Amino acid sequence: GDSVTQMEGPVTLSEEAFLTINCTYTATGYPSLFWYVQYPGEGLQLLLKATKADDKGSNKGFEATYRKETTSFHLEKGSVQVSDSAVYFCALSEAGNTGKLIFGQGTTLQVKP
Amino acid sequence: ETGVTQSPTHLIKTRGQQVTLRCSSQSGHNTVSWYQQALGQGPQFIFQYYREEENGRGNFPPRFSGLQFPNYSSELNVNALELDDSALYLCASSLDGASSGANVLTFGAGSRLTVL
Repeated sequence: GDSVTQMEGPVTLSEEAFLTINCTYTATGYPSLFWYVQYPGEGLQLLLKATKADDKGSNKGFEATYRKETTSFHLEKGSVQVSDSAVYFCALSEAGNTGKLIFGQGTTLQVKP
Repeated sequence: ETGVTQSPTHLIKTRGQQVTLRCSSQSGHNTVSWYQQALGQGPQFIFQYYREEENGRGNFPPRFSGLQFPNYSSELNVNALELDDSALYLCASSLDGASSGANVLTFGAGSRLTVL
């Protein structure tokens, strides 16, 4: 079945460092891809999305490009802030639009001042 | 615009008991999905409700059941609780989940269930 694999955390960075969180997927068909963020005590919030190959999703300085040839959707940010500390989830929606999202296991990011 | 609200936020049950969790969807959304998030894991899809009917189900046993009401709010019921049911239960709403290609979900903060 379809699946998502994220790099293991936690990832610890200093403020203003460059961030990459790797995400690869296995899917039949052409899924949509998402990054969600979860701050402590809160629900998941959509960070960005891409619905077809070569699309680039971006929001709040974060970017990710849908790479069909490498089945990847890596999250990047040029300069992280302490406020970016959270758990980041990569996810895909299966073809067929059932509303089901398949999530990776999450990557914890800690940014130190 | 109100977001997704869930209740209760925390609850403790014992093995064998039954639990009902509630969710009010975001204004304008007609589809509700439920996810189980075990500690340190990503959310796992339980099921989705659209137009008051189940519209897709994940790999969960029948003791996990749900309802959607005419105002699009929803309940998740779990019977015969087991220790492994301890998790954060997340509700998410969306618009026209059966037809939306992007499946953008708005999540609530969750209900933390502990089974002793």
